[in-house]
Amino acid sequence: GDSVTQMEGPVTLSEEAFLTINCTYTATGYPSLFWYVQYPGEGLQLLLKATKADDKGSNKGFEATYRKETTSFHLEKGSVQVSDSAVYFCALSENTGGFKTIFGAGTRLFVKA
Amino acid sequence: DARVTQTPRHKVTEMGQEVTMRCQPILGHNTVFWYRQTMMQGLELLAYFRNRAPLDDSGMPKDRFSAEMPDATLATLKIQPSEPRDSAVYFCASTGGQGYNEQFFGPGTRLTVL
Repeated sequence: GDSVTQMEGPVTLSEEAFLTINCTYTATGYPSLFWYVQYPGEGLQLLLKATKADDKGSNKGFEATYRKETTSFHLEKGSVQVSDSAVYFCALSENTGGFKTIFGAGTRLFVKA
Repeated sequence: DARVTQTPRHKVTEMGQEVTMRCQPILGHNTVFWYRQTMMQGLELLAYFRNRAPLDDSGMPKDRFSAEMPDATLATLKIQPSEPRDSAVYFCASTGGQGYNEQFFGPGTRLTVL
């Protein structure tokens, strides 16, 4: 079945450092890929998405590129801020109309001032 | 702006009591999900509905959990009887099925069973 694997956390960075959170997936079809973010005490919210191979999703300085050849969707940000401290979830959804989403385990990010 | 709402936000109860959690999906969304989040297990899909009909509830312990959608504006998750291991944050999410299947999450119900 479909699955998502993302790097274990926590990831601890200093402010303005470069961030990479790795994500790889297994899917039978051609899924849409997502990164969701969860701030303390809140539900998950969509950070960015890509719906087909080579698409780049971007939002709030974060970006991720849909790589079909390596089945990856790594999250990057050039300069993190303390306010980026949160849990990040990589996810996929098959474009078959079911709308069920498979989430990774989540990666907690701590950014120190 | 349109949001998924959940009530109650916090619930503390004693083992053996019935717990009912409610969710109001975004108006017009036809697919509703229930998730449970714990530190140990992460985010687990319990059940989901399309046009109020259950599509998959395989993630839900059948003996004590039940999920329903009495109407298009209300989804409920019930635990009877509750146990300490049910302590978790329960999230509801909805999607309209348009475009790229983004799910919109509610703020969650934090359940503590003593």
